[in-house]
Amino acid sequence: AQSVTQPDIHITVSEGASLELRCNYSYGATPYLFWYVQSPGQGLQLLLKYFSGDTLVQGIKGFEAEFKRSQSSFNLRKPSVHWSDAAEYFCAVGAFTGGGNKLTFGTGTQLKVEL
Amino acid sequence: DAGVIQSPRHEVTEMGQEVTLRCKPISGHDYLFWYRQTMMRGLELLIYFNNNVPIDDSGMPEDRFSAKMPNASFSTLKIQPSEPRDSAVYFCASTTRGDRETQYFGPGTRLLVL
Repeated sequence: AQSVTQPDIHITVSEGASLELRCNYSYGATPYLFWYVQSPGQGLQLLLKYFSGDTLVQGIKGFEAEFKRSQSSFNLRKPSVHWSDAAEYFCAVGAFTGGGNKLTFGTGTQLKVEL
Repeated sequence: DAGVIQSPRHEVTEMGQEVTLRCKPISGHDYLFWYRQTMMRGLELLIYFNNNVPIDDSGMPEDRFSAKMPNASFSTLKIQPSEPRDSAVYFCASTTRGDRETQYFGPGTRLLVL
């Protein structure tokens, strides 16, 4: 069965600093990987996704993620964090069974941005 | 274009009562998903539909939970009878066959069972 591990529950960074959120996955085949962001009281918004091809994927809001098969990782990065990036971030792996994309989420990383 | 709409946004009920959560997917989307988010278990997929037909309900916790999709623009998740451990945020998401990878989430319904 697929699984996702986000080892960092909370991360605090200063505004303008770089950010890296870690994600490790377990999946038998080529994974479909996703990063979502959840602002307080809101639903989840897709930041970026990876299926194949270039292992460095660009997303919205200046985020990027790099797929490393050898490390089973899909870490999320941003060169310069803005205060509005404070939110909870979820990594997910997808499996297309029955036609739909069944997402398995990690436990999330809560990002705090210090001004 | 309106996103996924969920109602109510907040629900407080007493143990043993019936609870019905509602979802209106994005127009034209033919996949609909129900998720539950709790501190203990994180985000879990409960059930998903394709063209109004339930495809996978393996995540539904027990018989107290049921979901229906009577038409392409409406789905319900019902809990009867409700228990305090059902307290959670319930999300609905939808997508379309041409973009199956991307799920669009509603704002969620925060349920508190006393």
